[in-house]
Amino acid sequence: GQQVMQIPQYQHVQEGEDFTTYCNSSTTLSNIQWYKQRPGGHPVFLIQLVKSGEVKKQKRLTFQFGEAKKNSSLHITATQTTDVGTYFCAGISVGRRALTFGSGTRLQVQP
Amino acid sequence: DVKVTQSSRYLVKRTGEKVFLECVQDMDHENMFWYRQDPGLGLRLIYFSYDVKMKEKGDIPEGYSVSREKKERFSLILESASTNQTSMYLCATTPYTGPNQPQHFGDGTRLSIL
Repeated sequence: GQQVMQIPQYQHVQEGEDFTTYCNSSTTLSNIQWYKQRPGGHPVFLIQLVKSGEVKKQKRLTFQFGEAKKNSSLHITATQTTDVGTYFCAGISVGRRALTFGSGTRLQVQP
Repeated sequence: DVKVTQSSRYLVKRTGEKVFLECVQDMDHENMFWYRQDPGLGLRLIYFSYDVKMKEKGDIPEGYSVSREKKERFSLILESASTNQTSMYLCATTPYTGPNQPQHFGDGTRLSIL
């Protein structure tokens, strides 16, 4: 079945440092979505990428979808304590009806 | 704004009990989903429903069943709870069928099976 791997599992950074999480799928995806879950909260949708090679930005966050539509990344520039949480990627393989979520990357930001 | 309400925030049950987790949404969304979330494993899909009385197995349906008698309500049933079903359970919805839609999550139910 479809597998979506996400690395790293955990990252601890100093405030102001950059952060990147990577997402890799065993199959070609029709889209990729990113979610953020704050400690004690539920996942909240951040963005969706659909096109091969697509890059989208939201303030300090940059999202990228690979050319082969099998991988994606989220990069945060100059982290802030408000970025703390777990970031999940999720994608749908061609022919499937539901998302498969990655295992998540937990980000801790030291002030 | 979409509101997805899960009936309990915390629940403690005993092994062998029949357990019902309820999810209600107020936005007339067609699709509803049940996930479980475990550390290091992310969110894993148990079941989903794309219409009233319709259901489809996700990736880990064993030990679970679901019911969707009304559009706004999607129930997850643990027929005979076991300790390996201790987990955080999340309900989610999307407005209509199709891949390119964000999921709206409830606050989750943390279920402990003793």
